[in-house]
Amino acid sequence: EIVLTQSPGTLSLSPGERATLSCRASQSVSSNFLAWYQQKPGQAPRLLIYGASSRATGIPDRFSGSASGTDFTLTISRLEPEDFAVYSCQQYGSLPYTFGQGTKLEIK
Amino acid sequence: EVQMLESGGGLVQPGGSLRLSCAASGFTFSTYAMTWVRQAPGKGLQWVSAISGSGGTTFYADSVKGRFTISRDNSKNMVYLQMNSLRADDTALYYCAKVGRYGYYFDFWGQGTLVTVSS
Repeated sequence: EIVLTQSPGTLSLSPGERATLSCRASQSVSSNFLAWYQQKPGQAPRLLIYGASSRATGIPDRFSGSASGTDFTLTISRLEPEDFAVYSCQQYGSLPYTFGQGTKLEIK
Repeated sequence: EVQMLESGGGLVQPGGSLRLSCAASGFTFSTYAMTWVRQAPGKGLQWVSAISGSGGTTFYADSVKGRFTISRDNSKNMVYLQMNSLRADDTALYYCAKVGRYGYYFDFWGQGTLVTVSS
């Protein structure tokens, strides 16, 4: 099973700042099959990125994803007030599909 | 508009059974795999099970294998999760989600149905 470790656990930033969230896989993720989700309190997760770097339909271009080996990064270029939420990564390169534990992005 | 609506959650005693349902709409249902993902209170997301578009292939997390069964009815645009031998650690909000076009990422989610296993 591929274990995904997200860091930091909590990230405190201000609107307008740049956010960099990390997701490290315990082994290679086939074809960089990694997705990122945003979840706000009381809401279902929302797909942001799939295939490590492809934005889902309707996702603003301030969200971007990248990959380097077993390290994956979600970058939010300029934080908007609505971006403060929990972000989770998920690998779908091999079974069982697994999620990271999440990074909470909070307003500083 | 793509929508998923889960139902069937509730309070059940340890060892009991429950059947979750998910009504999907807004897309060509039989073309897409579907999945169940759960989230224990205050915890992260955990993938539970998935089923191919035809229903011929199913996948399970080790923690539910042999206890849970996923199925679908393409004539009704429905997905089901039969949960047997429930345990306290199965307590969670269960989400139904549509699998993406290019792989097993999950592009549309329902709002979830809560399953509580307690005596």
